Amino acid sequence: SQTIHQWPATLVQPVGSPLSLECTVEGTSNPNLYWYRQAAGRGLQLLFYSVGIGQISSEVPQNLSASRPQDRQFILSSKKLLLSDSGFYLCAWSSQGARYIQYFGAGTRLSVL
Amino acid sequence: AQKVTQAQTEISVVEKEDVTLDCVYETRDTTYYLFWYKQPPSGELVFLIRRNSFDEQNEISGRYSWNFQKSTSSFNFTITASQVVDSAVYFCALSGDQYSGGGADGLTFGKGTHLIIQP
Repeated sequence: SQTIHQWPATLVQPVGSPLSLECTVEGTSNPNLYWYRQAAGRGLQLLFYSVGIGQISSEVPQNLSASRPQDRQFILSSKKLLLSDSGFYLCAWSSQGARYIQYFGAGTRLSVL
Repeated sequence: AQKVTQAQTEISVVEKEDVTLDCVYETRDTTYYLFWYKQPPSGELVFLIRRNSFDEQNEISGRYSWNFQKSTSSFNFTITASQVVDSAVYFCALSGDQYSGGGADGLTFGKGTHLIIQP
């Protein structure tokens, strides 16, 4: 069966520090991978998605970047965090295609102070 | 552009009552997919159901049922005989058909409805 791992679960970082969140998927190959952000009291916003190694599409211009160095690994990064980067970050995977269900990781709660 | 509206920010009912969560969507795609997810306090999103735009048949799964009406662009979710364990934030989401130029494969989410079931 497929599983998705996301870490760390909680992170507190000072403004201006770098960020690296990691997500890995097991039990499947060539998945679509996604990063979403959930701000307090709001819905989920798609940040990045990837259909293959090295292929990243950005949905929202921002202070963040994503990379996919391996088929089942998706990394969310920032060189310098802003206060507005605080939120709940969720990684998800699906089989290729819009019709397929997206399965989510447990999320990372990021607080930028 | 796609849009999902969940007008009910928060609903509070007493256990065993029936409750309906509303979802209205907008899309220009002819083929699209609708989803409901549950987010318990732990934060992880749990998939509940997927419905494609060609299938307007209502679905029932235990105490859960979904009413998809294309004419009103709605995909409502009803919990019958609610239980305290149903307390969570529920999200409705929409995905367009990538082959019809619907854009990203990502889901467009509503802002969620916080459901509180009181014992």
